[in-house]
Amino acid sequence: DAGVTQSPTHLIKTRGQQVTLRCSPISGHKSVSWYQQVLGQGPQFIFQYYEKEERGRGNFPDRFSARQFPNYSSELNVNALLLGDSALYLCASSSGRAGELFFGEGSRLTVL
Amino acid sequence: AQSVTQLGSHVSVSEGALVLLRCNYSSSVPPYLFWYVQYPNQGLQLLLKYTSAATLVKGINGFEAEFKKSETSFHLTKPSAHMSDAAEYFCAVASGNTPLVFGKGTRLSVIA
Repeated sequence: DAGVTQSPTHLIKTRGQQVTLRCSPISGHKSVSWYQQVLGQGPQFIFQYYEKEERGRGNFPDRFSARQFPNYSSELNVNALLLGDSALYLCASSSGRAGELFFGEGSRLTVL
Repeated sequence: AQSVTQLGSHVSVSEGALVLLRCNYSSSVPPYLFWYVQYPNQGLQLLLKYTSAATLVKGINGFEAEFKKSETSFHLTKPSAHMSDAAEYFCAVASGNTPLVFGKGTRLSVIA
């Protein structure tokens, strides 16, 4: 079975632009979470969606938004990009069992 | 609020030596505890998890961890390090429906 897939794998944007990152969960998983991993740090929680509803939001500004589609795939949008948004964005899916997340390989965003 | 502290941002061991990566947690409710590994330019892979069953948990690749409530610790060990164990290791905590909270990570280097 395919794991969690994310696209694009790498992208470069300039300050002020907008970006959309995509994630397809493992088949049968209804929950998707997004994490931001800045170089040298652990992943920081951004959002969790379950059955298309937002179940949790981390301490990120309103420039960050996300949604989940009927097929359980998800998008993360970041508006008005700042240099500090440069990071690896990780998507994880789960079947609902507490905390056990399966991660994709991430989308590496560079903001110039 | 839950948190995780990983002692030592970088640990270096010789091939064949014991690996010990330290993790202490803070949680007001019984926690679920996890260790994830991240190889360069990849996502996170679950090594092992504690979910209130046996306190000694065995994971993949010969790793194990022991939950010690009295010490609020969940240290990761492996009797004999292999070159392929070189990676970044993250301890994480969750409880109930709370999102997974990661530590800052420990980079393991294995010297031939």
